[in-house]
Amino acid sequence: EAQVTQNPRYLITVTGKKLTVTCSQNMNHEYMSWYRQDPGLGLRQIYYSMNVEVTDKGDVPEGYKVSRKEKRNFPLILESPSPNQTSLYFCASSGSYNEQFFGPGTRLTVL
Amino acid sequence: AQTVTQSQPEMSVQEAETVTLSCTYDTSESDYYLFWYKQPPSRQMILVIRQEAYKQQNATENRFSVNFQKAAKSFSLKISDSQLGDAAMYFCAYRRGAQKLVFGQGTRLTINP
Repeated sequence: EAQVTQNPRYLITVTGKKLTVTCSQNMNHEYMSWYRQDPGLGLRQIYYSMNVEVTDKGDVPEGYKVSRKEKRNFPLILESPSPNQTSLYFCASSGSYNEQFFGPGTRLTVL
Repeated sequence: AQTVTQSQPEMSVQEAETVTLSCTYDTSESDYYLFWYKQPPSRQMILVIRQEAYKQQNATENRFSVNFQKAAKSFSLKISDSQLGDAAMYFCAYRRGAQKLVFGQGTRLTINP
């Protein structure tokens, strides 16, 4: 089954404790992205990757890092999380100009 | 920068009736894509319908159709014969190229039985 998976689905952590949210897709897509969703703001792009070792900032990259060492994986790293990063996070992938496929979302709470 | 605006934070409709969700966008480009996504309580993002800007014909998918007005930069979603399962948050989105979607703020749709 074609899908985008994210782990964990839920995470509660404390300020300053490094964390990684994993994202993997099995569709051999070149493009992958991370979004955060906040009430009243819709989804905003954090980072995107156009292929292995090619990443670039989206609209809200501050406080986040990404890497793309393999085509299928695109982890999101929060090196020192803060409460304003409490949000719902989505990973998405797409091939060429086709639709983006979204993962199930990760609900992150930073205390 | 491209922006997408959904001016209706909430809408409600009686079951079996028709409802239209509004979306406007701002861009200087001529080649782009527009989407409507549905987000039910499960939080999964589900593609409802897609419109290519170069196509004049409005896209339709079963009970879902769009009214795409390129000159006015308007992209509304019409849901006919509303069903309880249509209750969700709906997001309008714009894309140029493959790497970025710009989303509106969302419209929460309630279906009254």
